[in-house]
Amino acid sequence: AQKITQTQPGMFVQEKEAVTLDCTYDTSDQSYGLFWYKQPSSGEMIFLIYQGSYDEQNATEGRYSLNFQKARKSANLVISASQLGDSAMYFCAMRRAQKLVFGQGTRLTINP
Amino acid sequence: EAQVTQNPRYLITVTGKKLTVTCSQNMNHEYMSWYRQDPGLGLRQIYYSMNVEVTDKGDVPEGYKVSRKEKRNFPLILESPSPNQTSLYFCASSPQVLAYEQYFGPGTRLTVT
Repeated sequence: AQKITQTQPGMFVQEKEAVTLDCTYDTSDQSYGLFWYKQPSSGEMIFLIYQGSYDEQNATEGRYSLNFQKARKSANLVISASQLGDSAMYFCAMRRAQKLVFGQGTRLTINP
Repeated sequence: EAQVTQNPRYLITVTGKKLTVTCSQNMNHEYMSWYRQDPGLGLRQIYYSMNVEVTDKGDVPEGYKVSRKEKRNFPLILESPSPNQTSLYFCASSPQVLAYEQYFGPGTRLTVT
């Protein structure tokens, strides 16, 4: 069965530092997609970044980049120059066929 | 404004009293889905629909029903709610199943006593 694992329940980072949120996945499929979503305290789900399994380049969106290591089955999110507004829950997710599976989430707190 | 709307946003009900949570999108999306979010478990997919009249089970479908009679609407039905269905529910849509972004509704917080 496909599975997403986020091993960091919580992380605390100083403002302006870079932060890496870990995500590992387990699938035997060749074609899949990996996502990161942000959920601030207000509760909405905000799409951050996507990586397809056949994409050779790591995805980047502004301050967000996805460190995709296919052989290790990891899809870590890197946030450069963190800001106070980055404090939120972060979810890694994998799309396989018609389904989307989420990890347990990591709560990121940015300290001033 | 392109959006996914859910109603109600908050609901407290009693065990066994049938309820429906509505979901509507105005983006002409083919794919719609329901998730529940519980602490420590992330989001889990309940049901999804690839297009009108086509629905299928996600990972946690027990105790839920859905229907997709129109492209824009995808209601979630709890025929006989139980306390273990107390959760935060999200509806989401995307242009098609392989689209890389899903648009989420604001969430519905359901409490079953």
